[in-house]
Amino acid sequence: AQSVTQPDIHITVSEGASLELRCNYSYGATPYLFWYVQSPGQGLQLLLKYFSGDTLVQGIKGFEAEFKRSQSSFNLRKPSVHWSDAAEYFCAVEQPGGSYIPTFGRGTSLIVHP
Amino acid sequence: DSGVTQTPKHLITATGQRVTLRCSPRSGDLSVYWYQQSLDQGLQFLIQYYNGEERAKGNILERFSAQQFPDLHSELNLSSLELGDSALYFCASSATDNSPLHFGNGTRLTVT
Repeated sequence: AQSVTQPDIHITVSEGASLELRCNYSYGATPYLFWYVQSPGQGLQLLLKYFSGDTLVQGIKGFEAEFKRSQSSFNLRKPSVHWSDAAEYFCAVEQPGGSYIPTFGRGTSLIVHP
Repeated sequence: DSGVTQTPKHLITATGQRVTLRCSPRSGDLSVYWYQQSLDQGLQFLIQYYNGEERAKGNILERFSAQQFPDLHSELNLSSLELGDSALYFCASSATDNSPLHFGNGTRLTVT
């Protein structure tokens, strides 16, 4: 069964600084990969997804993620963080040709200092 | 706005009681998913329906059940509630199998 690990429970950055949130997955083949964001009191919103092709994926709100097969990773990045980016971020993996039920990581809480 | 509507937003009830959570998917989406989010378990998949039929089951307790109606809205029924059932319950919908999920804002259930 696939699994997702987000090693960082909390990350604190200053506004304007760069950001990288880590995500590692466990799956035999190349899975479908997703990043979602959850603001307080809201549901999860899709930031970006990777199915195949170019390993650098652009998403909404200035986020990007890079798929690295050799490291089984799909890290999320943003060059300059805004205070409004403070939220919970979830990485998810889905098995192509399987149940298509995404498995979510435990999430990383992003705190942004002014 | 994701287009997925969940009601009620908050629910407070006592142990042993039964509640029903309701979800209206995004227009045109045939698949509905239910997830439970708690601090200790994270986001756990409960069950999926596709066009009225149960498609996949996850970590759903026998005390919990769900259904999807002909108009595609879905209900999650939780019975014999325990303190540990207190959590955020999310509904999500998708158009096809490998489409991203669109989440509602959740129902916060508190069991006292």
